[in-house]
Amino acid sequence: SQTIHQWPATLVQPVGSPLSLECTVEGTSNPNLYWYRQAAGRGLQLLFYSVGIGQISSEVPQNLSASRPQDRQFILSSKKLLLSDSGFYLCAWRPGLASNTGELFFGEGSRLTVL
Amino acid sequence: RKEVEQDPGPFNVPEGATVAFNCTYSNSASQSFFWYRQDCRKEPKLLMSVYSSGNEDGRFTAQLNRASQYISLLIRDSKLSDSATYLCVVSLSGSARQLTFGSGTQLTVLP
Repeated sequence: SQTIHQWPATLVQPVGSPLSLECTVEGTSNPNLYWYRQAAGRGLQLLFYSVGIGQISSEVPQNLSASRPQDRQFILSSKKLLLSDSGFYLCAWRPGLASNTGELFFGEGSRLTVL
Repeated sequence: RKEVEQDPGPFNVPEGATVAFNCTYSNSASQSFFWYRQDCRKEPKLLMSVYSSGNEDGRFTAQLNRASQYISLLIRDSKLSDSATYLCVVSLSGSARQLTFGSGTQLTVLP
């Protein structure tokens, strides 16, 4: 069966510090991978998605970046965090090629507080 | 106009009540529709897909009206464990950037 792991679960970072959130998927190959952010009381905002190694699409301009160094690894980074980066970050995957369903499988999320 | 709009609530209902949520979407080319459930401080999980003819899963009934571009979720005989935020999700099939999430409707079922 497929599983998705995301870490760290919680972190508190000062403004201007770097960020690295990591996500790995097991039990599948060539998944589509996603990073979402959910601000308090708001919906999920798609930040990045990837259909393959090294292929990253950015949805919104920001000081965050994403990388996919391996098929089942997706990393969200920032060189300098802003207060507005606080939120609940969710990694997700869905089957890649030939999939026409919309079900996303989410990691347990990373709650970031920038002070 | 938001791509997917939901009444944020909160809906506070007594146990056993029937509650309905609506969701509207703006892109008429949308192909697939879903309801996700998100418990407090947890990740969203798929509750059910929404099919054109309407579908039922136990106490939950989902309906789609393509002409009016809205989706509904009906929960019968509410349980305390139904308390959560319900997210309406719309998909443009064939695109990796497929899913658009509504901001969610918060439901609290009271004893």
